[in-house]
Amino acid sequence: ELKVEQNPLFLSMQEGKNYTIYCNYSTTSDRLYWYRQDPGKSLESLFVLLSNGAVKQEGRLMASLDTKARLSTLHITAAVHDLSATYFCAALKGDYGGSQGNLIFGKGTKLSVKP
Amino acid sequence: DAGITQSPRYKITETGRQVTLMCHQTWSHSYMFWYRQDLGHGLRLIYYSAAADITDKGEVPDGYVVSRSKTENFPLTLESATRSQTSVYFCASRGPGQGYEQYFGPGTRLTVT
Repeated sequence: ELKVEQNPLFLSMQEGKNYTIYCNYSTTSDRLYWYRQDPGKSLESLFVLLSNGAVKQEGRLMASLDTKARLSTLHITAAVHDLSATYFCAALKGDYGGSQGNLIFGKGTKLSVKP
Repeated sequence: DAGITQSPRYKITETGRQVTLMCHQTWSHSYMFWYRQDLGHGLRLIYYSAAADITDKGEVPDGYVVSRSKTENFPLTLESATRSQTSVYFCASRGPGQGYEQYFGPGTRLTVT
C-alpha cells in the first residue's frame, strides 16, 4: 500500500533563510506532485515530477525527485512572506491507467515565513 | 467560466439529512475525483470516476454515493449526513497529458450539526 509522509508538518522560518521540505513514499511511484494551498483556498499545482532525477524550479522553489530513494524534496531559497502556505506532496499510485492512476497525498507542511 | 466549479461553497445541514455537493468541469476531462480534507489527514479520496457511468471507491467511501451521467458533472451525495462528515470537500479532474496532473475545484465547506 502506497503511503506518503511529509516532514516537517510545521515549519516556521525567517525571511531570507533556506529550508527543505521532505516527502517520502513507501512503494514504487515515479510521478510526484507538489501543491500549494493558501488558507481557505483550493490546491494549486506547483510541480509535476515525471522521472528519476527530475528537477524543476519556479522562483524561490525547487523540487526534485529520487525514485530510488523514494524521496522528493521541495527546497525554499531566501524565503519571503508570500511563500507562507501549506505545501502538499502527492505520489501517483500504481499503474498510470485505469483505476490505479490515483494520487496519494501527504498530510501537508504548514509553512510560516516571518520577517 | 472555464475550469472546475463546485456548489454550494458553504453548507450547513443537520444530522440525518441528505445533501448533494455538485461538481462541474468544462475541460471534458475523463477522470474526476472527490476528496475530503480534514486537519491531520491531508486529502483523502472518497470516490473517483474514469468516465460517464464509470465510478469506483477510493479510500473513504462509506456514507457517500456518486453518479456520473454526463462527463462534465460529478455530484457527491451524503445520503444521511453524520457529524463525522463535517469537512472540506474538493472535486478534481485529471488532464489528458502524461503527467496525470489533477486540477482542483474551489472546495465546499460542509458542516453537519
